[in-house]
This record gives sequence, structure tokens and C-alpha cells, in this order.
Amino acid sequence: SYELTQPLSVSVALGQTARITCGGNNIGSKNVHWYQQKPGQAPVLVIYRDSNRPSGIPERFSGSNSGNTATLTISRAQAGDEADYYCQVWDSSTAVFGGGTKLTVL
Amino acid sequence: EVQLVQSGAEVKKPGESLKISCKGSGYSFTSYWIGWVRQMPGKGLEWMGIIYPGDSDTRYSPSFQGQVTISADKSISTAYLQWSSLKASDTAMYYCARSFVLTSAFDYWGQGTLVTVSS
Repeated sequence: SYELTQPLSVSVALGQTARITCGGNNIGSKNVHWYQQKPGQAPVLVIYRDSNRPSGIPERFSGSNSGNTATLTISRAQAGDEADYYCQVWDSSTAVFGGGTKLTVL
Repeated sequence: EVQLVQSGAEVKKPGESLKISCKGSGYSFTSYWIGWVRQMPGKGLEWMGIIYPGDSDTRYSPSFQGQVTISADKSISTAYLQWSSLKASDTAMYYCARSFVLTSAFDYWGQGTLVTVSS
């Protein structure tokens, strides 16, 4: 089965840029979606199909995908960005989630 | 406004059965897939399976095949997740989420249903 690997945690200073990676075998050939989950809340889609932002998601959120790594980039990080982030792909009609990354804004 | 509204929290004993629901509104319920996602306490998201209410086409994660049943009643725009015999390890938050096709993102999520299984 297909696996996605994310770092357990990423820290970023307030106002700086955070990058969260998602590794998978030839993930660049798949569409990657990213979700933000704050404590006690349902996940929220922040990036779909590698680099597209849903309506209402700030431009500070961006994504890229190539080779074996997809990346979620959060520019000018704010305290409100502190959350768990999950990448997700589809593989053979099965949805696969990464293990999640806890983003801490210092 | 698109909404997925899930049924309320449940407390059950091991061996009991359970069916939780997810009601869609604000869109064509039969034109989108509804998936179910488990989140055990303090853990990540796990995809359980998905159903297309238009024709009841259902797919399961190998990890959950045979453990749960996913169904839908398109006449009332509601999808279901059910267990015939709960275990303590089924204790988790369960989310439903909408997907346009089997390669697209889950763009709307329900608020979650907390299931607690304890003797």
C-alpha cells in the first residue's frame, strides 16, 4: 500500500516561512491535498491538487509537488496557523493520509 | 451553503451495534462521494471508506473492510457508518467528508461524531 511520510513537528518563528513536507514514491505523479486541523475541530482543506487554494484560504498558504516530495509552504506565519497539517493522495481508489505534522509558531 | 451535519456523540458497550449518520445539504447529494475518516485519540486521520450516494458504489480501505459498513439513503441525503459489534478500540472521533470524484480533495467535512466504547 502507498505510504506518505511527514515530519512529526515543524517550528517556525512568528512572521517567518514554514515548510511542511510530504514524502511518497513518485508523489509528483499524484494530486496532493493538504488539510489543517486545529485542536477540537474538524479538518479544513487548505490546498488541493498540489497548489490550489480553496476560497477563503489566505494567499500565505501555497503548495508544490515534484519527484518524491510535496511541500506545503506557509509564509508570514501567524499564531493562528498553529495546527496539525495532513497531506493526502488517492492511490488505486484508496485515500491515503500522511501521519500529520504539528506546526508550532514560536 | 454546503453542510455535512453528523449525529451526536455515542457511548456504547463492547459488543453493541451502532449506526452513525451524516446529512448533507446545500448541494446535490447524489453527485458527490461521501467518505468516512477515523481519528483515534491523539492520533492522525485514517480513511475508512467512501460511498457514492447516486448509485451506492462503495469502496473500503483494506484496514476497515469487513469491520464496518457504509451505506446511504439518497432520499434523505444521509450517509451512514455502522458497526455490528463494537470493540474498545473503535473509540474515536469519526468524520464524514465530501469529495467530487475519487481523486479530488475532501472539500467539506462534518463536525465529527465521538464514539466511546467502554464497559
